[in-house]
Amino acid sequence: SQELEQSPQSLIVQEGKNLTINCTSSKTLYGLYWYKQKYGEGLIFLMMLQKGGEEKSHEKITAKLDEKKQQSSLHITASQPSHAGIYLCGAHSGSNYKLTFGKGTLLTVNP
Amino acid sequence: DAGVIQSPRHEVTEMGQEVTLRCKPISGHDYLFWYRQTMMRGLELLIYFNNNVPIDDSGMPEDRFSAKMPNASFSTLKIQPSEPRDSAVYFCASVITGRPNYGYTFGSGTRLTVV
Repeated sequence: SQELEQSPQSLIVQEGKNLTINCTSSKTLYGLYWYKQKYGEGLIFLMMLQKGGEEKSHEKITAKLDEKKQQSSLHITASQPSHAGIYLCGAHSGSNYKLTFGKGTLLTVNP
Repeated sequence: DAGVIQSPRHEVTEMGQEVTLRCKPISGHDYLFWYRQTMMRGLELLIYFNNNVPIDDSGMPEDRFSAKMPNASFSTLKIQPSEPRDSAVYFCASVITGRPNYGYTFGSGTRLTVV
């Protein structure tokens, strides 16, 4: 089955700083999803990447997909306390819709 | 649309009791997923359905767990008998064929505590 490894596991940054979270897959990526989760709440969909080299943005959050490396990165510019939470990457392999997730990255943004 | 609706939001039960979690997917979505989230293991896929038919239940931990989807608008996850190690947040999610780029929509989850 597809395994996703996220790094770092946790991250503490000062408000205003930029940061990057990585997600690496053990198998070919056919669809890579980024979600954000606040403690005790459900997952909020941020964006989905499908093609190698694809890049998408959602407010100050940008995600890229490197198909050859089977990796995606999530970059936050000028972080704010509202960005704090758990970021999860999910992926499915092939044409099926079976979506599995990495363990997540806990982001803390200090004001 | 009200989104994916799960009930109850919180459940506290005694070891050995039967627990039933409920999920209503978004109308028109033909895939439904059940996940379990814990600090140690993260978000694990338990089972998923397509057009009410179970496709892959390889993530179901053991025979104490069962899931059904009697119609397109309702699914249940049952644990019988429950054990303390089943304590976790259980999420339901749905998606529509051909529109995965819209994302899988998650419910707010059911926090289960087995004492």
